[in-house]
Amino acid sequence: DAGITQSPRYKITETGRQVTLMCHQTWSHSYMFWYRQDLGHGLRLIYYSAAADITDKGEVPDGYVVSRSKTENFPLTLESATRSQTSVYFCASSSGTSRLSPRGTDTQYFGPGTRLTVL
Amino acid sequence: AQKITQTQPGMFVQEKEAVTLDCTYDTSDQSYGLFWYKQPSSGEMIFLIYQGSYDEQNATEGRYSLNFQKARKSANLVISASQLGDSAMYFCAMREVMIGRQLTFGSGTQLTVLP
Repeated sequence: DAGITQSPRYKITETGRQVTLMCHQTWSHSYMFWYRQDLGHGLRLIYYSAAADITDKGEVPDGYVVSRSKTENFPLTLESATRSQTSVYFCASSSGTSRLSPRGTDTQYFGPGTRLTVL
Repeated sequence: AQKITQTQPGMFVQEKEAVTLDCTYDTSDQSYGLFWYKQPSSGEMIFLIYQGSYDEQNATEGRYSLNFQKARKSANLVISASQLGDSAMYFCAMREVMIGRQLTFGSGTQLTVLP
């Protein structure tokens, strides 16, 4: 039971390069999310997806691109990496099957994270 | 305004004692959910407990309980009988039904359990 995995776990790149972070889940969850974690900010939502081919922006989408051609995969691409994108990136998923109400938890489960350093 | 506020950047507790981690939230939505996650030094995010805005009883999960005071807009996490393995960063998060399924996180509280 692999759950939700991210690759690579660590990545060092240079300013201006394109980088793609991978996220894969085996639960067939409808919803997938990308967050970044920076000191003092907790986690902030970058993009999310409700289903294959449906994506939407979160709080901090600038400089990032996502796609979701298959339910199980949700790659995040930094088209031209900048130093401000040095961060820990978390992918998460939720089933989306419980009612969207406070009685339905629709808990998000997180991947192990990718630590990205942009030099 | 911050949607989720965790005012304790760091806390210490003696092993076997109870500890309360504070979380206040701000929303105009009547329907929302509150979550707590634990992040140990290894970095993964672990779901602990959930409270819905219409739940009349405080949520409990083993040694974790959520002290939910709706009028005060607070959702404090209580850990009973602290263990050394409880040392971690703890995040409070909210989902507002009007907005969708994404979570808004607080900045976290670093808990250290002392032997």
